Amino acid sequence: KQEVTQIPAALSVPEGENLVLNCSFTDSAIYNLQWFRQDPGKGLTSLLLIQSSQREQTSGRLNASLDKSSGRSTLYIAASQPGDSATYLCAVGNNRLAFGKGNQVVVIP
Amino acid sequence: NAGVMQNPRHLVRRRGQEARLRCSPMKGHSHVYWYRQLPEEGLKFMVYLQKENIIDESGMPKERFSAEFPKEGPSILRIQQVVRGDSAAYFCASSRRDGNEKLFFGSGTQLSVL
Repeated sequence: KQEVTQIPAALSVPEGENLVLNCSFTDSAIYNLQWFRQDPGKGLTSLLLIQSSQREQTSGRLNASLDKSSGRSTLYIAASQPGDSATYLCAVGNNRLAFGKGNQVVVIP
Repeated sequence: NAGVMQNPRHLVRRRGQEARLRCSPMKGHSHVYWYRQLPEEGLKFMVYLQKENIIDESGMPKERFSAEFPKEGPSILRIQQVVRGDSAAYFCASSRRDGNEKLFFGSGTQLSVL
């Protein structure tokens, strides 16, 4: 059974700092890894999808890396802004995603 | 191009009643997934459907829960004889194909059982 852990559970950073969010998973035979953003009371927005053959994906200020051998992924958000405040979820799998509990981020203006 | 539509946004039921949650996938998407988010827990996979077929229901409770995705119309998650422990946010997601594609999620249905 795939277990996904996200550390830290919550963090606050001043505006402008870079954010580093960590995700670890127990079964390295994964298909894909996705990072999502969830705002309070809302659904999830897919940020980045890393396929199993890839090592990283980038979109704007976001960069996600994947190291299958160590069972880890890291999401970097450069030059954080107050609008980045949200919960970030890591999920691994193909059709059946296993989610972590999320990193709750507050960016302080 | 509307996103994944879920309704209702909030649903209140008394113990023993039935709950029906609807999900219309994005246009062009024929794969639907249901997830449940219990308080203080992560999202848990429930079921994966394609049109008229249940592909993977390994996350569904064995009793009282069922899902369908008919040829016409939205996908329906049905919970019979609800209990307080069914109170949760239920999210639907869709994709064009299976596997290597991003999932697009709806805003969820918050079910409260009194």
